[in-house]
Amino acid sequence: DGGITQSPKYLFRKEGQNVTLSCEQNLNHDAMYWYRQDPGQGLRLIYYSQIVNDFQKGDIAEGYSVSREKKESFPLTVTSAQKNPTAFYLCASRVGTNTGELFFGEGSRLTVL
Amino acid sequence: GDSVTQMEGPVTLSEEAFLTINCTYTATGYPSLFWYVQYPGEGLQLLLKATKADDKGSNKGFEATYRKETTSFHLEKGSVQVSDSAVYFCALSDRDGNNRLAFGKGNQVVVIP
Repeated sequence: DGGITQSPKYLFRKEGQNVTLSCEQNLNHDAMYWYRQDPGQGLRLIYYSQIVNDFQKGDIAEGYSVSREKKESFPLTVTSAQKNPTAFYLCASRVGTNTGELFFGEGSRLTVL
Repeated sequence: GDSVTQMEGPVTLSEEAFLTINCTYTATGYPSLFWYVQYPGEGLQLLLKATKADDKGSNKGFEATYRKETTSFHLEKGSVQVSDSAVYFCALSDRDGNNRLAFGKGNQVVVIP
């Protein structure tokens, strides 16, 4: 079945460690996105990529990094520079037209101990 | 910039009651409008969408009409069920080429038997 797969679903990290969240899609979508969700704050855009080997910062990119070496994959690294990394992270993809909807993965919950 | 505003606070109602969640938007162009639903611990799923003025999106008994004159896209359902308990997000995508979606903060809906 076509869809978006995020892993791991739950992740625990010690302060000062970098961690990478995986996002893979087999929908042949051009655009991919990473959002952060915190209680009462809705979704905030971290990074997005419209084509392979290109990506743009979203509204809260500080302390995060991404790569887009393949169309299917858009991993997110949460670095030690991110001051408050505990959150629910959502990856999404889209065909590429402005009328098209986003398709979301199931999310990854990161907890910093 | 583009933005979406949803009514404040959670919504609690009894089974078979009428549900309305307000959504208004600000956009420079002619956006597409979406409603997403999120069940506990999951990613977001598209509920319905409308791509031009006066369009009505509908799905699973939910409806929303794209009102350009009032810049609104209110979500309604005539008779809710306990299974409709979830968080609902309004979103827009403008046709300005940046391929981003703007989300509202979401509304928690709790349906009591």
